[in-house]
Amino acid sequence: DTAVSQTPKYLVTQMGNDKSIKCEQNLGHDTMYWYKQDSKKFLKIMFSYNNKELIINETVPNRFSPKSPDKAHLNLHINSLELGDSAVYFCASSGGHFYGYTFGSGTRLTVV
Amino acid sequence: GQQVMQIPQYQHVQEGEDFTTYCNSSTTLSNIQWYKQRPGGHPVFLIQLVKSGEVKKQKRLTFQFGEAKKNSSLHITATQTTDVGTYFCAGPSGGGADGLTFGKGTHLIIQP
Repeated sequence: DTAVSQTPKYLVTQMGNDKSIKCEQNLGHDTMYWYKQDSKKFLKIMFSYNNKELIINETVPNRFSPKSPDKAHLNLHINSLELGDSAVYFCASSGGHFYGYTFGSGTRLTVV
Repeated sequence: GQQVMQIPQYQHVQEGEDFTTYCNSSTTLSNIQWYKQRPGGHPVFLIQLVKSGEVKKQKRLTFQFGEAKKNSSLHITATQTTDVGTYFCAGPSGGGADGLTFGKGTHLIIQP
């Protein structure tokens, strides 16, 4: 059983398109996150959702919108994709402030 | 905002040599976490340190949290090829948010 699963694993798309990445966790965690990892491996938090409420939004362009239909899912929708959006996007979940994160396997997004 | 600095960015070692990565925060941390990311993989939680001066061991890995809770280190004794990857430290982002701010990681390269 995969604890945090993301789909798709790879996504190649043209500039200007709209795309979504799905994430599901079966750990019963209250908080889910989206992180972006660039080509230099820098991990930067994008969003955090706790019980379907957005907690943080780290100066991410409003072309990115998280959508959480329930506690176990946090999807990422991206409008009008740009070349600079190319990166690996990781979903993660946590059981609380003093618990480690469980990451999904990542989605490698390539915008051409 | 919260900043977590990590050095070195890259470390080449011969198999069997020791390895250390260092993490420094601009503010006092309530806790610090360490993650390992294998090439092509996702970050995997290793450990969390909470107490001032805390030292924890996992087989050949030794984790330390500074007395002032602003710095931490990860030391690997007698590296093996399975230790290859990027090691990240991460601290709470602060401001009541639940997210983690990650250091930029140390890429460990092992030459057989």
